Amino acid sequence: GAVVSQHPSRVICKSGTSVKIECRSLDFQATTMFWYRQFPKQSLMLMATSNEGSKATYEQGVEKDKFLINHASLTLSTLTVTSAHPEDSSFYICSASIWGLPLEPGQSYNEQFFGPGTRLTVL
Amino acid sequence: AQSVTQLDSHVSVSEGTPVLLRCNYSSSYSPSLFWYVQHPNKGLQLLLKYTSAATLVKGINGFEAEFKKSETSFHLTKPSAHMSDAAEYFCVVSDRDNNDMRFGAGTRLTVKP
Repeated sequence: GAVVSQHPSRVICKSGTSVKIECRSLDFQATTMFWYRQFPKQSLMLMATSNEGSKATYEQGVEKDKFLINHASLTLSTLTVTSAHPEDSSFYICSASIWGLPLEPGQSYNEQFFGPGTRLTVL
Repeated sequence: AQSVTQLDSHVSVSEGTPVLLRCNYSSSYSPSLFWYVQHPNKGLQLLLKYTSAATLVKGINGFEAEFKKSETSFHLTKPSAHMSDAAEYFCVVSDRDNNDMRFGAGTRLTVKP
């Protein structure tokens, strides 16, 4: 259980275009989803936290208008990189938590389940 | 706010020798602690987690970690390294009262034949 998928796994686009990345919780409902960015040989940096049905909370330094996040349902969050530029090339990873939902045995609210990541390359 | 420090950016061991990856944490509340492994160009895989039960936590692939509150540490160990253990390892802390995870900078483990 607790499987998170991302689509696409890899995307190459031209500078100036927009790219949408989907994050889905396949076998559970996720009230909260998170988006991380990982540059080569670096750690994961939290970009934003999204709660179903409300606006995302962005970390300091992350441009809200550039990284649009929508969390329309309990199983789907999307990240749209608008007007992408080469410096946006990175590995984007989403995660989901079950904060606020009834716990199954072995689960905890402050555990996140990670997707496999999306490699974005902007030419 | 919680934070985590991985004391070594790179650890190199010989195959068959013990592995020690060090992690210290800072947390205002009772923390949950995790170790994840990431192989090149892959996603994250959970190795083990400490939430509130036994302080010695056993994970997958022979890894284990011990939560030491007095030392604010959660070091990852394995008795005998395997070539397939070569990867990036992340220590992660989360306060029990929220679901905000903070990642350490990572430790790259190299295993020599």
